[in-house]
Amino acid sequence: GDSVTQMEGPVTLSEEAFLTINCTYTATGYPSLFWYVQYPGEGLQLLLKATKADDKGSNKGFEATYRKETTSFHLEKGSVQVSDSAVYFCALRWEKLTFGTGTRLTIIP
Amino acid sequence: DAGITQSPRHKVTETGTPVTLRCHQTENHRYMYWYRQDPGHGLRLIHYSYGVKDTDKGEVSDGYSVSRSKTEDFLLTLESATSSQTSVYFCAISEGQESAAGNTIYFGEGSWLTVV
Repeated sequence: GDSVTQMEGPVTLSEEAFLTINCTYTATGYPSLFWYVQYPGEGLQLLLKATKADDKGSNKGFEATYRKETTSFHLEKGSVQVSDSAVYFCALRWEKLTFGTGTRLTIIP
Repeated sequence: DAGITQSPRHKVTETGTPVTLRCHQTENHRYMYWYRQDPGHGLRLIHYSYGVKDTDKGEVSDGYSVSRSKTEDFLLTLESATSSQTSVYFCAISEGQESAAGNTIYFGEGSWLTVV
């Protein structure tokens, strides 16, 4: 069945550091790929998405490129801020939405 | 804002009691979902609905039932709550009227349930 594997956390970075959170997937069809973010005590918010191979999703300085050849959708940001501290979930959607286990990111000043 | 309201937002209940969580949406979305979130598991689908009185099971449906008598309301019932059902429950809706891979799923703010 469909599955998502993402980088285990927690991840701690200093402010202005470069961020990469790895995400790979297994799917039988041609899924769309998503990154969601969850701030403490809140629900999940869509961060970005890509619906076909080679698409790049971007939002709030975050980017991820749909790589069909490596079945990956890694999340990157060039300079993180304290306000980026949250849990990040990679997900794929074919018929249903399937999540990775989440990566907790903490940014220290 | 996808117009999703969950109630109650927090609840403590005793083992063996029935519990119902309500999800209300204001934008006439066809597809609605219930997920639970647990450490180390991400979010897992419990049940979903694709229309009034049309529901189906997700990957962790045992011990749960759902009902959708109106487009705007999707109810999740724990028939006899157990400690293993202590979790955060999220309702979600899918944009569009079809379950297309590219349609984004939007989430409510969650219901924290503790079974003691």
